[in-house]
Amino acid sequence: GAVVSQHPSWVICKSGTSVKIECRSLDFQATTMFWYRQFPKQSLMLMATSNEGSKATYEQGVEKDKFLINHASLTLSTLTVTSAHPEDSSFYICSANEGLSWEDTQYFGPGTRLTVL
Amino acid sequence: QKEVEQNSGPLSVPEGAIASLNCTYSDRGSQSFFWYRQYSGKSPELIMSIYSNGDKEDGRFTAQLNKASQYVSLLIRDSQPSDSATYLCAVNFLFSGGYNKLIFGAGTRLAVHP
Repeated sequence: GAVVSQHPSWVICKSGTSVKIECRSLDFQATTMFWYRQFPKQSLMLMATSNEGSKATYEQGVEKDKFLINHASLTLSTLTVTSAHPEDSSFYICSANEGLSWEDTQYFGPGTRLTVL
Repeated sequence: QKEVEQNSGPLSVPEGAIASLNCTYSDRGSQSFFWYRQYSGKSPELIMSIYSNGDKEDGRFTAQLNKASQYVSLLIRDSQPSDSATYLCAVNFLFSGGYNKLIFGAGTRLAVHP
């Protein structure tokens, strides 16, 4: 299957700082990428849908000014958590569709564990 | 309200048995369905996708879809301790405005004991 990478795999930062997470599709072009957040013992919650060359679509309740998403190319999307606070500590996972159809499977990156002190 | 429901478990089965995982969804119009496996601390990995009514088999895994009943299941034959994980059912929903979104169930935790 398609391979999606994320960097970094984990990060610890101080409260008030910003953290950037990269998501790359390694062997395919991804017109659409997705960013999820998962708190312990909970399921994945979609934060935003990232489309190459256009603004991301954020889910209700997700602050677009706090979680900045950029999808500059067909293989790279970035999520920046600005002015991070301890409540932002979570497991952030990106995914990408291999094809152009909405029916296509989403392949997930390995995730980034963010801890804000 | 677009919803995907799963029994949280844990579902405990002995090694070698068949594990049956179930999922119901709220939108009759949904067309694509996925099962993902997630080990603790890891991201989900795709097990199977299914789009048509009936069974789809891949190795020890069989996905079953019944759109009339809005029900999708995953059978794991000859369960192994390495199958112990949380299994996520995901359904692609079509929203007004013409966009689609993958909605995940809360997951069923499977424990296979030797």
